[in-house]
Amino acid sequence: AQSVTQPDIHITVSEGASLELRCNYSYGATPYLFWYVQSPGQGLQLLLKYFSGDTLVQGIKGFEAEFKRSQSSFNLRKPSVHWSDAAEYFCAVDPNTGFQKLVFGTGTRLLVSP
Amino acid sequence: EAGVTQFPSHSVIEKGQTVTLRCDPISGHDNLYWYRRVMGKEIKFLLHFVKESKQDESGMPNNRFLAERTGGTYSTLKVQPAELEDSGVYFCASSLRAGGLMNTEAFFGQGTRLTVV
Repeated sequence: AQSVTQPDIHITVSEGASLELRCNYSYGATPYLFWYVQSPGQGLQLLLKYFSGDTLVQGIKGFEAEFKRSQSSFNLRKPSVHWSDAAEYFCAVDPNTGFQKLVFGTGTRLLVSP
Repeated sequence: EAGVTQFPSHSVIEKGQTVTLRCDPISGHDNLYWYRRVMGKEIKFLLHFVKESKQDESGMPNNRFLAERTGGTYSTLKVQPAELEDSGVYFCASSLRAGGLMNTEAFFGQGTRLTVV
């Protein structure tokens, strides 16, 4: 079945440490790929997206993600985490519908320790 | 410019009652989407409006859910009668136009948390 998997429900990272959040998808063709973040009391905010081309995508707030076709992965990274990055992160795909009919993963909650 | 606004932010209702959620998209956005997140699970697509027309309602769980978009502006999602399994967070999103994804980022509201008791 077509799906998006975020294997980590919770992750705790020390402030200043690097971060990698995992996302795998199972679709026959390469879908459009997204990462969203939801901070407490806020809506979902788009961090970055991948459609085609360069497999390393830069986003807002210092985040980047790398698309690896061979692994069907789109992992999110940040070299140095700030306390304000504590939030829930969602990987999502649009299986080429072109209409933002997104399929989301279950989310990863990031906790940042001092 | 105002973002996507959802009302109410929280709603607690009894099983069997009716609840109406409202979404005001960003002005000028033709596309409006409803999504739902049941506790601990993934956010799931419910339906998509293009202006006042339903483009895709394949994600609507059953006929207790009715979505409308009056005049292609705001949208309502009515649940009647509500059941316990309807509890969750309902998100609305809007985008400027479909096709050519480079210009169709979906902007999400903060969600309505619905609790059916």
